[in-house]
Amino acid sequence: AQSVSQHNHHVILSEAASLELGCNYSYGGTVNLFWYVQYPGQHLQLLLKYFSGDPLVKGIKGFEAEFIKSKFSFNLRKPSVQWSDTAEYFCAVNNAGNMLTFGGGTRLMVKP
Amino acid sequence: NAGVTQTPKFRILKIGQSMTLQCAQDMNHNYMYWYRQDPGMGLKLIYYSVGAGITDKGEVPNGYNVSRSTTEDFPLRLELAAPSQTSVYFCASSYEATGPNTEAFFGQGTRLTVV
Repeated sequence: AQSVSQHNHHVILSEAASLELGCNYSYGGTVNLFWYVQYPGQHLQLLLKYFSGDPLVKGIKGFEAEFIKSKFSFNLRKPSVQWSDTAEYFCAVNNAGNMLTFGGGTRLMVKP
Repeated sequence: NAGVTQTPKFRILKIGQSMTLQCAQDMNHNYMYWYRQDPGMGLKLIYYSVGAGITDKGEVPNGYNVSRSTTEDFPLRLELAAPSQTSVYFCASSYEATGPNTEAFFGQGTRLTVV
């Protein structure tokens, strides 16, 4: 079965700092990769997704993620975070025959 | 466009009570899912459905039941509530399970407390 690991459970940054959240998955075949964001008290929303093509994916609000197949990774990045980026971030993976599997989430707090 | 609608938003149950969490989507999606979210554990798949009349177990199905009589609706039933079912429940839907249209759209969530 596929699994997804997010190694950073809690991250605290000051505004304007750069962000990188790690995501690793276990499945070796063709995968679809996602990052979702959950703002306090809200439901999950899609930040970006990778299906095929350019491994550097750009999403909403200045976020991007890079798919590195050899490392089974799909790390999320943002060059300069804002207070409004305070949220929980989830990496998710699916592949043929498997439903969407989520990582444990990373809580990001951005200090103003 | 309402997307995915869940009701209720909050509920407190006593141990042994039963309840149904409602979920409806108006996007004509084939796939629907129920997840539970516990702190630090991410989202765990409870049940999913690939179309009307077809349901299957996810990772944590014990204590739950589902049905999918129509494309739009996917209710989740708790028959005998237990404290371990205290959680936030999310319903989601997607057009496909693999391929370019696999983005899952989520409802607002139901916060359930069993006491």
